[in-house]
Amino acid sequence: EPEVTQTPSHQVTQMGQEVILRCVPISNHLYFYWYRQILGQKVEFLVSFYNNEISEKSEIFDDQFSVERPDGSNFTLKIRSTKLEDSAMYFCAIFLRDRSTDTQYFGPGTRLTVL
Amino acid sequence: RKEVEQDPGPFNVPEGATVAFNCTYSNSASQSFFWYRQDCRKEPKLLMSVYSSGNEDGRFTAQLNRASQYISLLIRDSKLSDSATYLCVVNSRGTGSQGNLIFGKGTKLSVKP
Repeated sequence: EPEVTQTPSHQVTQMGQEVILRCVPISNHLYFYWYRQILGQKVEFLVSFYNNEISEKSEIFDDQFSVERPDGSNFTLKIRSTKLEDSAMYFCAIFLRDRSTDTQYFGPGTRLTVL
Repeated sequence: RKEVEQDPGPFNVPEGATVAFNCTYSNSASQSFFWYRQDCRKEPKLLMSVYSSGNEDGRFTAQLNRASQYISLLIRDSKLSDSATYLCVVNSRGTGSQGNLIFGKGTKLSVKP
């Protein structure tokens, strides 16, 4: 069973528009992460979120990006003014201990296409 | 400086073959290591963690050499369903797994009948 779902599965937007990507964990988790993967490239870390605060962010996560948990369950990534180069798969991940392995489990992703 | 480096492949092998993937990482303080599998346009899925003592899960064996900062994955008796991209992943923090993950670009495997 998936630990986390993401909506929408595909978002198409015009350059300069705001988009909100949503991550819905199945059960309570404390650690959340956003990653992105530009087509043909490696998965890159954007931001980690712990106890309702950003705990770490990468150089990619500039002022155009923000994260929040508006209702204590959904975890959102907002891009204020999208650029063509924001087109990518965006993955939400949660930290989980499973059979004595601590690691991160990824949602199915949102494909963002900026035109 | 590439933090996690892998041979991009592709590795094209027949069913039943044994195939090995290698990976090197640059941060000697890294403590947690993983292999993930990614199917085309899907999310990365954990295949297995990698421990210093080596670990095996069915047809898959992972090894870690801390001195050389080298990680390997061996797949025996490969199946058509093993076709995917295999991602070498290192946790950014020295301890604990809550730190962000650093991914290699992946090695593509194609298993042919």
